[in-house]
Amino acid sequence: AQTVTQSQPEMSVQEAETVTLSCTYDTSESDYYLFWYKQPPSRQMILVIRQEAYKQQNATENRFSVNFQKAAKSFSLKISDSQLGDAAMYFCAYTSNSGYALNFGKGTSLLVTP
Amino acid sequence: DADVTQTPRNRITKTGKRIMLECSQTKGHDRMYWYRQDPGLGLRLIYYSFDVKDINKGEISDGYSVSRQAQAKFSLSLESAIPNQTALYFCATSDLPGTDTGELFFGEGSRLTVL
Repeated sequence: AQTVTQSQPEMSVQEAETVTLSCTYDTSESDYYLFWYKQPPSRQMILVIRQEAYKQQNATENRFSVNFQKAAKSFSLKISDSQLGDAAMYFCAYTSNSGYALNFGKGTSLLVTP
Repeated sequence: DADVTQTPRNRITKTGKRIMLECSQTKGHDRMYWYRQDPGLGLRLIYYSFDVKDINKGEISDGYSVSRQAQAKFSLSLESAIPNQTALYFCATSDLPGTDTGELFFGEGSRLTVL
């Protein structure tokens, strides 16, 4: 079974600073997808960024980027120039190309301070 | 209108009552899911369905049942609610195996409180 581990239950960052959220996963598959979802207080689940395992280039979406280390099974999210609106719960998730559902980590709560 | 709609958004009920959470989607996806979110536990899969005739248990299906009434509708039932089923419930759809992005598209969640 695939597992996703987020080792940081809570993180804090000041506005305009950079923060990195950690995620590791366990799999024997070679073809899979990794995701970061954001859940603000509105409780909506919002896709932040997606990475296909066959792509060596790290995905980037504006201020959000990932550091995908396939051999280490690590998938961290970097948020640059943090904004108050980035405060949320962040979930790392995994699915294989042959899988049936996303497996989620337990989440990291990000606090952004002025 | 939202692509994935859940009703009700919030519900308070008593132990032993039957509860149904409904989900409908306009994305045209075959795959639909029910997840449960608890603080500190992330999202856990309750049931999933790949088409109207295909229903599968997830990791925490005990105490729940589902019905896939149509491609667009997937309901979750608690036959006899208990307090530890108090949680936030999400319905989601997936574009697999179509465009193969693997992304889940979520409803807005149903907050259930069982007293």
